[in-house]
Amino acid sequence: EVQLLESGGGLIQPGGSLRLSCAASGFTFSSYAMSWVRQAPGKGLEWVSAISGGGGSTYHADSAKGRFTISRDNTKNTLYLQMNSLTAEDTAVYYCARSSGVLIIPFNYWGQGTLVTVSS
Amino acid sequence: QSVLTQPPSVSAAPGQKVTISCSGSSSNIGNNYVSWYQQLPGTAPKLLIYDNNNRPSGIPDRFSGSKSGTSATLGITGLQTGDEADYYCGTWDSSLSAVVFGGGTKLTVL
Repeated sequence: EVQLLESGGGLIQPGGSLRLSCAASGFTFSSYAMSWVRQAPGKGLEWVSAISGGGGSTYHADSAKGRFTISRDNTKNTLYLQMNSLTAEDTAVYYCARSSGVLIIPFNYWGQGTLVTVSS
Repeated sequence: QSVLTQPPSVSAAPGQKVTISCSGSSSNIGNNYVSWYQQLPGTAPKLLIYDNNNRPSGIPDRFSGSKSGTSATLGITGLQTGDEADYYCGTWDSSLSAVVFGGGTKLTVL
């Protein structure tokens, strides 16, 4: 059974940093591209970042470029999102999502999400 | 403002049919596969349709997808109260090198 378990969310002050993790199990982690998708309170889905199965290619939304870094450790079956210079606009539930294969989208598995709140 | 345009809300009676549109451009829907996601209240999104018109195993055939040019459509027949949810279209945008989603459509089953 495919499982994605996010962690690392919490309350952080503006300008601070946070690292999210997504522990994957139930599939060959290195064979699949992975993404982070966020959802601000009461708002729609917003894709944040993606990374290829081997980790050699990464993609970021404009809102994340220069501040967020996606990475993965295929030996630990874990996906990461390093978030720096956080602002109130980054407040959201952050979902880890697995692609159906080599392509970034569609996302056929999602984690339960971890809430990041940026506030003083 | 989302790259893909969806109606904010749609509604229909139980047992009826509803369609949800998703409009884009040649850099996204026009040249890439579209997927659709259902998000029930308080839960993570779930894949409903992939590659324009394919259903993952376990998704009932009441849900269907289609694409024409730079637009895509999700159809739901035999509406049930349990279908009340937010629905999102998504695809790859080749110009942005990014995944783009529609703003979401809230389905109300009256």
